Amino acid sequence: DAGITQSPRHKVTETGTPVTLRCHQTENHRYMYWYRQDPGHGLRLIHYSYGVKDTDKGEVSDGYSVSRSKTEDFLLTLESATSSQTSVYFCATGTIPWSYEQYFGPGTRLTVT
Amino acid sequence: DAKTTQPNSMESNEEEPVHLPCNHSTISGTDYIHWYRQLPSQGPEYVIHGLTSNVNNRMASLAIAEDRKSSTLILHRATLRDAAVYYCILNNYGQNFVFGPGTRLSVLP
Repeated sequence: DAGITQSPRHKVTETGTPVTLRCHQTENHRYMYWYRQDPGHGLRLIHYSYGVKDTDKGEVSDGYSVSRSKTEDFLLTLESATSSQTSVYFCATGTIPWSYEQYFGPGTRLTVT
Repeated sequence: DAKTTQPNSMESNEEEPVHLPCNHSTISGTDYIHWYRQLPSQGPEYVIHGLTSNVNNRMASLAIAEDRKSSTLILHRATLRDAAVYYCILNNYGQNFVFGPGTRLSVLP
């Protein structure tokens, strides 16, 4: 295991509130990713980071922002949560970009009511 | 992005081999074939990857067709713990990983 933790593991929030999800890794991996998983869609990439303070958008980035001030932490913020953002969110890390092997965290189940 | 097609679901008996197919007829010459699996209530985990030649590791084998338009993930002796969703993904350096719906494998005792 790559030592990836996500917090919180479960969260229920109301529409319009900001929410921040945290991904923490202990492996010193340079690359980090945020995905969301919804029934019928597989996993979709939200944002990714290729180093401290270096981030970029993925396939479904609208309504999300990220920050990475330290190698070990990658934060995902829902600026104003909507019901369409109810999902399971996974963080992943890797040593090579889009590499053969990404290591995934356990996921955060977010419900927006 | 190059697309993959997998059966929605498959069943296997415990301790028997399992062959999970993946079609990728539009694969480009530099696309790698990756397999990940996702156990219930967990994040995906890497299984195996290859480019042109068949590959073996401690978890599985990957058989790649000569024209590379299809591949098969082989679990040599399925266990109950292998029940998961298996994703076949094409990836070229610098591109996003795109996870489709995958194949849900059920293993019967």
